[in-house]
Amino acid sequence: DIQLTQSPSFLSASVGDGVTITCRASQDISSYLAWYQQKPGKAPKLLIYGASILQSGVPSRFSGSGSGTEFTLTINSLQPEDFATYYCQYLNTYFSTFGQGSKVDVK
Amino acid sequence: DVQLLQSGPEVRKPETVLKISCKVSGYTFTDHYMYWVRQAPGKGLEWMGLVDPEDGEVIYAARFQGRASIVADTSTDTLYMELTRLTSEDTAMYYCATAPTYCSSTTCYRVLHYWGQGTLVSVSS
Repeated sequence: DIQLTQSPSFLSASVGDGVTITCRASQDISSYLAWYQQKPGKAPKLLIYGASILQSGVPSRFSGSGSGTEFTLTINSLQPEDFATYYCQYLNTYFSTFGQGSKVDVK
Repeated sequence: DVQLLQSGPEVRKPETVLKISCKVSGYTFTDHYMYWVRQAPGKGLEWMGLVDPEDGEVIYAARFQGRASIVADTSTDTLYMELTRLTSEDTAMYYCATAPTYCSSTTCYRVLHYWGQGTLVSVSS
């Protein structure tokens, strides 16, 4: 089965900082990668799909890139509401898996 | 508006059975695949399985094969998940999610766009 490995698992940052999270797949998954944001006690929220397509309504400071086995989520100019945990996800017709998560907290 | 309303919190003893539900509204139930995802306390997201409500086809994650049962009831637009032989490791928040397909100019992607509020399950003797 395909495995996704995120790095870093924890990241401390300040408001205004730029942040990059990496997600590596154990085999080629083309662009079938999504990113989600989750805040404590809440369901995950879709940010990006197709590796780089910003979901409607998501601020443009979020961006995604990559294909194949290496992907990145970038947050430009971190805002207070962006402190959360971020997950990458591979999803095809018959299988899905998540990365282990990357928590972004306040420095 | 799309809404996924999950059943309330559950407490179970080990070796018993859990059945939780997810009532869907705001779109045609058979239009999109549905997923169950769980999250143990302080842990990450774990995919459990999916169902195509249109034909009832179900795919389970390997570790839940034989222990989980997912059913989509098209008469009530409700998704169910039954989990047997519970252990303390099944203590988690369980989420249902709807997976519409969104297409770029070249490729279509299924994404977990709409989520239920979660059902908290505690398994303890």
